[in-house]
Amino acid sequence: GAVVSQHPSRVICKSGTSVKIECRSLDFQATTMFWYRQFPKQSLMLMATSNEGSKATYEQGVEKDKFLINHASLTLSTLTVTSAHPEDSSFYICSAFADRGFPDTQYFGPGTRLTVL
Amino acid sequence: AQSVTQLGSHVSVSEGALVLLRCNYSSSVPPYLFWYVQYPNQGLQLLLKYTTGATLVKGINGFEAEFKKSETSFHLTKPSAHMSDAAEYFCAVSGIYTGGGNKLTFGTGTQLKVEL
Repeated sequence: GAVVSQHPSRVICKSGTSVKIECRSLDFQATTMFWYRQFPKQSLMLMATSNEGSKATYEQGVEKDKFLINHASLTLSTLTVTSAHPEDSSFYICSAFADRGFPDTQYFGPGTRLTVL
Repeated sequence: AQSVTQLGSHVSVSEGALVLLRCNYSSSVPPYLFWYVQYPNQGLQLLLKYTTGATLVKGINGFEAEFKKSETSFHLTKPSAHMSDAAEYFCAVSGIYTGGGNKLTFGTGTQLKVEL
């Protein structure tokens, strides 16, 4: 099946620094990727839709200047948390459509645990 | 608009007992329905999905779910629980339209505990 990877799997940073998380589709091209955020013992909340070659579409309440998304190629999307604060600590998960024509082909990455001190 | 309701944030069963995790959905368009499992500090793994056709779908690890349109439900079952089934389970719904615009809407999750 289709594989999505994320790097790093875990990151600890100091407050005020920026952190970049990569999401890669390893064996397929993904024109659309999604970024989710999950707080402890809660569900996944969609943050934004990342489209290759165009600007990301952010969900209501998500600060686009805080969470920068770049989908530079058909296999890579990055999420940069700028000027991170402790409240940004969370589990970030990306997903990608293996076939944009079929909405049931969304595959998830293993997630990135961000801890901001 | 779509939404998912998972009844019971925590479910506890004995090993070997029936597992039943409830999911009800609301969708203004024909839905695609999914069940995902998440182990601690890991991403989501697809258990099974309903798209079209047979309403009883079988997934991995012995799980199955039945799409009941009249009840707007998609409950997850497994005849006999195993210790390794202990995890968080998420029900999700998306639209069926092509083009990549369909977003997944997740339920709040059900933590399954399996006891000896």
